[in-house]
This record gives sequence, structure tokens and C-alpha cells, in this order.
Amino acid sequence: ETGVTQTPRHLVMGMTNKKSLKCEQHLGHNAMYWYKQSAKKPLELMFVYNFKEQTENNSVPSRFSPECPNSSHLFLHLHTLQPEDSALYLCASSQVGERANYNEQFFGPGTRLTVL
Amino acid sequence: QQQVKQSPQSLIVQKGGISIINCAYENTAFDYFPWYQQFPGKGPALLIAIRPDVSEKKEGRFTISFNKSAKQFSLHIMDSQPGDSATYFCAASGRRTSGSRLTFGEGTQLTVNP
Repeated sequence: ETGVTQTPRHLVMGMTNKKSLKCEQHLGHNAMYWYKQSAKKPLELMFVYNFKEQTENNSVPSRFSPECPNSSHLFLHLHTLQPEDSALYLCASSQVGERANYNEQFFGPGTRLTVL
Repeated sequence: QQQVKQSPQSLIVQKGGISIINCAYENTAFDYFPWYQQFPGKGPALLIAIRPDVSEKKEGRFTISFNKSAKQFSLHIMDSQPGDSATYFCAASGRRTSGSRLTFGEGTQLTVNP
């Protein structure tokens, strides 16, 4: 596998379900991100992890819970979601810090989430 | 101050024509301006990026023009092809620091007719 991978690619869940999205980056980066992409809206940054530490939580509801066990893996745990949470969830990674060539982010293909 | 405004929302161009997408920003601390290309079912992919020390950057058929005083930058696609049909996002970020965020525009859906 190369780049940034995400599983599953599609997910349908009920409002009472608990599910998790997984992201893995094979680029040796030290920062990972979760974005939400809804139709006709800009990409919304949800969470940022730098060196496994969460550095940003962009006012995301607590029904979304991120986890970053190491610099290569990122999870988004979902519980009691609402229909308006249906969207494409994108993971990205980048190299940040003094030796980084600006914040060039590499995206995964996304998980298309539908909440019934 | 963190917004990046992108226009047009959609664009239809004939094959061989020039596609132009514009973005404007407010935060003068931004110093990195990438463009991302997204095909259906795929995540955004970096297409080309510019820093404010130059006014233009060209890579193949893709050119970024940057106007620092006007706080605007644009993407030009020369000799547009049907394979260029995709959604294009401009973005901006500040100095590279730990976990620095990218602020994205709303996106432009480009259709190139054969």
C-alpha cells in the first residue's frame, strides 16, 4: 500500500450504531488530519494530530471521537450520529516542523458515510 | 480572516479552451497557496502550489498567478481537456508550524466538453 489509505470506503449506519473509520499513512509523516466534506461546502477540518498528540479540535461534537495510537494510524470513532453527519470523511497526512516543505497534505480516498 | 473565497462555483469550458478559477484571501499571514484536484470517488490531490515570493508558477498546462497586493491567486488550465473535468479547491496556510491548518475554498466544479 502506498500513500494514505482509508477503510471502509462506504459505511451505512443507524443513529444508534457505533462504528469506527480507519486511516493509515505510508508516507512517514508526523501529522494526520480528519476532514468532513459535505456537498457544496468547503472541506471542514475536524481534528489535527501532530506527533500523536491532538493539537486541534475544531468544535466537533462529542459523538465524533478521534484516536491516534501512533503516527501512522488514525481512527474516528462514531456513535449516536445524526442524519446530517452523512458526508465524505477524509483523512490526510503531512510532514510538519522545521524540516517540512510547507504543509503539503496528502489525502486518502475518503469514507462515504450515510446515517439513516 | 481565515476565509478563502473561491469562484466560480462551476465552470464549463470547451476542449482546448482556457479554464480560470479565482481565489481571494484575507489573512496576510498566509504564505502557502496550493491547489487541489478531486475526481469523483477520490480524495483531493495536490496539483500545484505557490509561495508569495513569486508571482507565477507554471507546471505543464497548469499555472498559478499570484497577486500579493490584491490578496488574490488564480489557477489557469491551458488547452483544457475532458480529463481535467474535476472539482478544484484552492487553499491557504500560514507559516509551517506543528499541525498548521489549510483553509480551503468552496471548490469549483470544472466540466470540459469534448
